[in-house]
Amino acid sequence: SQTIHQWPATLVQPVGSPLSLECTVEGTSNPNLYWYRQAAGRGLQLLFYSVGIGQISSEVPQNLSASRPQDRQFILSSKKLLLSDSGFYLCAWSVHGESYNEQFFGPGTRLTVL
Amino acid sequence: LAKTTQPISMDSYEGQEVNITCSHNNIATNDYITWYQQFPSQGPRFIIQGYKTKVTNEVASLFIPADRKSSTLSLPRVSLSDTAVYYCLVGGPQRGYQKVTFGTGTKLQVIP
Repeated sequence: SQTIHQWPATLVQPVGSPLSLECTVEGTSNPNLYWYRQAAGRGLQLLFYSVGIGQISSEVPQNLSASRPQDRQFILSSKKLLLSDSGFYLCAWSVHGESYNEQFFGPGTRLTVL
Repeated sequence: LAKTTQPISMDSYEGQEVNITCSHNNIATNDYITWYQQFPSQGPRFIIQGYKTKVTNEVASLFIPADRKSSTLSLPRVSLSDTAVYYCLVGGPQRGYQKVTFGTGTKLQVIP
């Protein structure tokens, strides 16, 4: 069966510090991968998606970046965090193919920037 | 974008049937309608997906009228554990990944 891992579960970082969140998927090959952010009490905002190794599409201009160094690894990074980067970060995967395929979400990382 | 409109919140008593309606007036011919459920501090979970008429699974039913400009998620006999946010999404082969968006969803509160 497929599983998706995210770490860390919670993170408190000072403004201006770097960020690296990691997501890995097991039990599937060539998945589509997604990074979402959810601010408190808000809906999910799609940040990045990837349809293959090294292929990253960004949805919202921001100081975040994403990379996919391996087929089932997706990394979200920032060189300098802003207060507005606080939120709940979710990684998801779907079967490669259609945009409406079911997405499977990880447990999330709660990031607080102070 | 396939814009969807849902009520912001709903309350229901335990044991009642709950119907959450989503409007998607600009749905495209090849678009599917998908519903997700999200509990606090968790990622969303797929509930049901349909194209037209009615779809039923062990969790919910999805009713889609002939014009497909709206859809209704029906949860039979809700319990306290059904308290969650429910998202309606519209997406299809003609839409890129960036156009299948979650929006703000409907917050369902089940009351004892």
